[in-house]
Amino acid sequence: DAKTTQPNSMESNEEEPVHLPCNHSTISGTDYIHWYRQLPSQGPEYVIHGLTSNVNNRMASLAIAEDRKSSTLILHRATLRDAAVYYCILNAGGTSYGKLTFGQGTILTVHP
Amino acid sequence: EAGVAQSPRYKIIEKRQSVAFWCNPISGHATLYWYQQILGQGPKLLIQFQNNGVVDDSQLPKDRFSAERLKGVDSTLKIQPAKLEDSAVYLCASSQRRGRNYGYTFGSGTRLTVV
Repeated sequence: DAKTTQPNSMESNEEEPVHLPCNHSTISGTDYIHWYRQLPSQGPEYVIHGLTSNVNNRMASLAIAEDRKSSTLILHRATLRDAAVYYCILNAGGTSYGKLTFGQGTILTVHP
Repeated sequence: EAGVAQSPRYKIIEKRQSVAFWCNPISGHATLYWYQQILGQGPKLLIQFQNNGVVDDSQLPKDRFSAERLKGVDSTLKIQPAKLEDSAVYLCASSQRRGRNYGYTFGSGTRLTVV
């Protein structure tokens, strides 16, 4: 399975932008980059996904490097409700087709 | 749209007892997944269904775990007999189709404690 690398933890202040990095140097051309987050005592929540182009939705933006070896999830104005574990996952092909394999993720702390 | 429903929300059992979890996915979602999440770790895929057929159960401990998805809608996951190390949150998720370009919707999970 293609792997991702994320920092263990990050901190932010409320109402400031947050940039959560993810490295995926072994990504293949057809792997989609997915981001999920998990708030305390809840199941993971879909945030955003993309293939090559940058993507925006009401929750966040996804910036994908030109060589696709890294990506960044951008929360434009962090709120206390954004404190969660953020998972960057490659949705790949082959034997992993359509499966999400979760790593440890990044614990985001938001300070008031 | 209604989310993924799971029950019960919590369950405490003694080791060697059996337990069952139920999941109702989003209407029309063809693919259903069961994940196990041990405290402090990311979710681990146990089994994947496409409609009522099993696509992947390579990580399911088949000597004690079983799952089915009757009529391609609801699903149940059973553990018999339970061990202490089965204490975890069991998450159900569904997606519209199996593929790389589809997001998952997760339920809130069932927290199992085996004592």
